[in-house]
Amino acid sequence: DQQVKQNSPSLSVQEGRISILNCDYTNSMFDYFLWYKKYPAEGPTFLISISSIKDKNEDGRFTVFLNKSAKHLSLHIVPSQPGDSAVYFCAASDTGSTLGRLYFGRGTQLTVWP
Amino acid sequence: DARVTQTPRHKVTEMGQEVTMRCQPILGHNTVFWYRQTMMQGLELLAYFRNRAPLDDSGMPKDRFSAEMPDATLATLKIQPSEPRDSAVYFCASGLVRGAAFFGQGTRLTVV
Repeated sequence: DQQVKQNSPSLSVQEGRISILNCDYTNSMFDYFLWYKKYPAEGPTFLISISSIKDKNEDGRFTVFLNKSAKHLSLHIVPSQPGDSAVYFCAASDTGSTLGRLYFGRGTQLTVWP
Repeated sequence: DARVTQTPRHKVTEMGQEVTMRCQPILGHNTVFWYRQTMMQGLELLAYFRNRAPLDDSGMPKDRFSAEMPDATLATLKIQPSEPRDSAVYFCASGLVRGAAFFGQGTRLTVV
């Protein structure tokens, strides 16, 4: 049973506009969330994380929002660039910021077109 | 440029053969993971270690898979005997006690 779900397998956005990637989770014990980006034939690359004690974390063009009551998080990329085209994975952990097992969503393929 | 190194990058083997995948974690990282990515299951944890001690191998088929850390600079994942359903990309990742896990480029395994 998938505890982390990314219901949109793909997203297409024009360069310069905002990309919003969504993620839902079912396990209320999850207390730390991460986003990874993956290019073909490479491993996932860490992007940004958020603890359950926060509702927003920002790093440059990337912002993650967490809505605990809805068990929902989203990644905003502003402005989107063609180099952002990749598969984005949402991941969750129940060990806080202590590195432990990560539960991954299936990923969303983001395509940013010029 | 610190990174997780996995070998081999690609492996094609016949059913029944033994397969060994190797991982060199980032120097200083004390937590090492093995994940597997398939079309059906996505990214799933097989096993992970902290300070070379196994913490969780519940995702690993015990009858044919084994994971070890002979020393702090080497993690191995072995499949014996291999089966076609083991075909997948196997990722090693490492990290410190706190923070994110950093992934290697993966080993693409094909069992024919």
